[in-house]
Amino acid sequence: GQQLNQNPQSMFIQEGEDVSMNCTSSSIFNTWLWYKQDPGEGPVLLIALYKAGELTSNGRLTAQFGITRKDSFLNISASIPSDVGIYFCAPNAGNNRKLIWGLGTSLAVNP
Amino acid sequence: GAGVSQSPRYKVAKRGQDVALRCDPISGHVSLFWYQQALGQGPEFLTYFQNEAQLDKSGLPSDRFFAERPEGSVSTLKIQRTQQEDSAVYLCASSRDGEQYFGPGTRLTVT
Repeated sequence: GQQLNQNPQSMFIQEGEDVSMNCTSSSIFNTWLWYKQDPGEGPVLLIALYKAGELTSNGRLTAQFGITRKDSFLNISASIPSDVGIYFCAPNAGNNRKLIWGLGTSLAVNP
Repeated sequence: GAGVSQSPRYKVAKRGQDVALRCDPISGHVSLFWYQQALGQGPEFLTYFQNEAQLDKSGLPSDRFFAERPEGSVSTLKIQRTQQEDSAVYLCASSRDGEQYFGPGTRLTVT
């Protein structure tokens, strides 16, 4: 099956620090989506990437779709306590296709 | 507008009981997905509808799992003769143009 590696598995940082996480795969994807999930809630879409090499920002979040279409990273700048949660990358092979999920990166922020 | 809603939010079933989980997608979204999320894991794909047509059910773990979307809007995931290994959060997502938006999930506990 398709293998998706998400790193790091967990991070514990101080408020105000920048955060970087990434996903790599042996498969090529057409879309990379990044989600955040809080306990007891469904995943919330943060950023969607559709083109290889694309760099997209959403407030303090920046994500890039790797040029090989096999990887993506997400950066969070100037972290705040409400950034706490689990971040998932979820690529797929195209519109209306199932999302493939990593194990997530658990982020803890020390105020 | 309103997001994806799911009901019930929590369901406790005795082993062997049948359960029905409901998903109300975002109005106008053609595509609807069901995922299963075990504790500490990323979601795993179960099945996908485009309007009322079930186009992919490759992720359903057994023939005890059945999903329908008869009018192309609300969907129901039914699990017959529940087993303890069915305990998980069941997530529904709807999509119009590739970006999948999730409901809060139904947490199923089988005792």
